[in-house]
Amino acid sequence: AQTVTQSQPEMSVQEAETVTLSCTYDTSENNYYLFWYKQPPSRQMILVIRQEAYKQQNATENRFSVNFQKAAKSFSLKISDSQLGDTAMYFCAFMAPRGGNEKLTFGTGTRLTIIP
Amino acid sequence: DTGVSQNPRHKITKRGQNVTFRCDPISEHNRLYWYRQTLGQGPEFLTYFQNEAQLEKSRLLSDRFSAERPKGSFSTLEIQRTEQGDSAMYLCASSAGHRGGEKLFFGSGTQLSVL
Repeated sequence: AQTVTQSQPEMSVQEAETVTLSCTYDTSENNYYLFWYKQPPSRQMILVIRQEAYKQQNATENRFSVNFQKAAKSFSLKISDSQLGDTAMYFCAFMAPRGGNEKLTFGTGTRLTIIP
Repeated sequence: DTGVSQNPRHKITKRGQNVTFRCDPISEHNRLYWYRQTLGQGPEFLTYFQNEAQLEKSRLLSDRFSAERPKGSFSTLEIQRTEQGDSAMYLCASSAGHRGGEKLFFGSGTQLSVL
């Protein structure tokens, strides 16, 4: 079974600063995908960024980037030039597709607050 | 494309009552997932449909829970004889199912409170 661990329950940072959220995972799978999802107060889970395990290059989406260390099973999210709208719960998630079932295993989340 | 829609948004019920939630996935998405999220936790997988076929159920899904997806379109999740431990947010997600590692699109969830 896969597990996802987020060791930072809460974080806060000043607006415009950079913040890094940590995530580690455990799996015996070789083909898998990693995700960061954002859950604002509206409760809807919104995909932030996606990483394919077989790609060595770290994924980047505008102000969001990841540091994917496959050997260490680490997948951290860096948010640059943080904005007030980034305030939300952030969940790291793991997916190992099997027979079409692409269920996600989530961590417990990090509550991020951007301070004006 | 109006996104994944879930109804109702909130449901308050008394212990022992039955409740039913509805999920309308994105049109033509053939994969549909149900998750449960309790306070302070990440969502946990409950069950998965490929078109109308329910292909996997989590051990979290007790006999009191049943999910259907008639005609491979919308889905319903029913909880019979609700218990206080069923209080949680129930999330629905869908994906197109064309390639591996696809993005799941989530609805805003149904918040269930069992009194």
